[in-house]
Amino acid sequence: AQKVTQAQTEISVVEKEDVTLDCVYETRDTTYYLFWYKQPPSGELVFLIRGNSFDEQNEISGRYSWNFQKSTSSFNFTITASQVVDSAVYFCALSEPSGAGSYQLTFGKGTKLSVIP
Amino acid sequence: NAGVTQTPKFRILKIGQSMTLQCAQDMNHNYMYWYRQDPGMGLKLIYYSVGAGITDKGEVPNGYNVSRSTTEDFPLRLELAAPSQTSVYFCASSYSGVNYNEQFFGPGTRLTVL
Repeated sequence: AQKVTQAQTEISVVEKEDVTLDCVYETRDTTYYLFWYKQPPSGELVFLIRGNSFDEQNEISGRYSWNFQKSTSSFNFTITASQVVDSAVYFCALSEPSGAGSYQLTFGKGTKLSVIP
Repeated sequence: NAGVTQTPKFRILKIGQSMTLQCAQDMNHNYMYWYRQDPGMGLKLIYYSVGAGITDKGEVPNGYNVSRSTTEDFPLRLELAAPSQTSVYFCASSYSGVNYNEQFFGPGTRLTVL
C-alpha cells in the first residue's frame, strides 16, 4: 500500500526566513512521481512542483526548491525568503496506479504554514 | 478558460436527503476525479473517470455515485445523506492518467449534513 507522511502538522516562521516542509513516502513502485500542492485559505488546491523517481535531482524554481532522496524516501520542499502570501496548507502527494491504466494521488495530511509579518 | 468549476460552494443537508454536486471542466481533460477532505486530513479519492462513460471506485466510494455522460461534466450524487458525509468535496481533472500529469482542482463544495 502507498503511504505519504507529513510529520509536521503546523509550522510558523517569520517573514523572510527559509522554511522546509518534510515528506516521507512508502511505495513498491520503481517508477513514481511526487507532487507538492498548496491550499491557501481560499480552499483551492494549486499544483506547485513535481519530482520523479528516475531523475533524483534537487531543483529550484523561483523561491521553491525540492530535495528528492530515494535512499531515505523523502521529498522535502523548501520555500526561500518566505512571504505572508505563502501562508497555506501544503500537501505532499504520491502518484500510484489505480487500475484501468490510470494513476491516482495519495495525499499526506498536510502541513499548515503560517508566515508571520 | 474557467478551469474546473464546482457548484454549489456551500450546502446544508438533512439526514436522508439527496443531492448532486456538479463539476465541469473546459480543458478537454479525459480524466476526472472526486475527492473528499475531512478536517486535518489529506484528500481521499471517492471516484474517478478515465473518459465519457467510464467510471471506477476510489478509496472511499460508499454512499456516492457518479456518472460521466460527457467529457466536460462529472457529477457526484449523494443518496441518503449521513453526518459522516460532512466534508469538503473537490473535483479535479488531468489531461491523461499517466503518473506525471498534475491534477487541476476546483474550488470545492463544503457540505454539512445535520
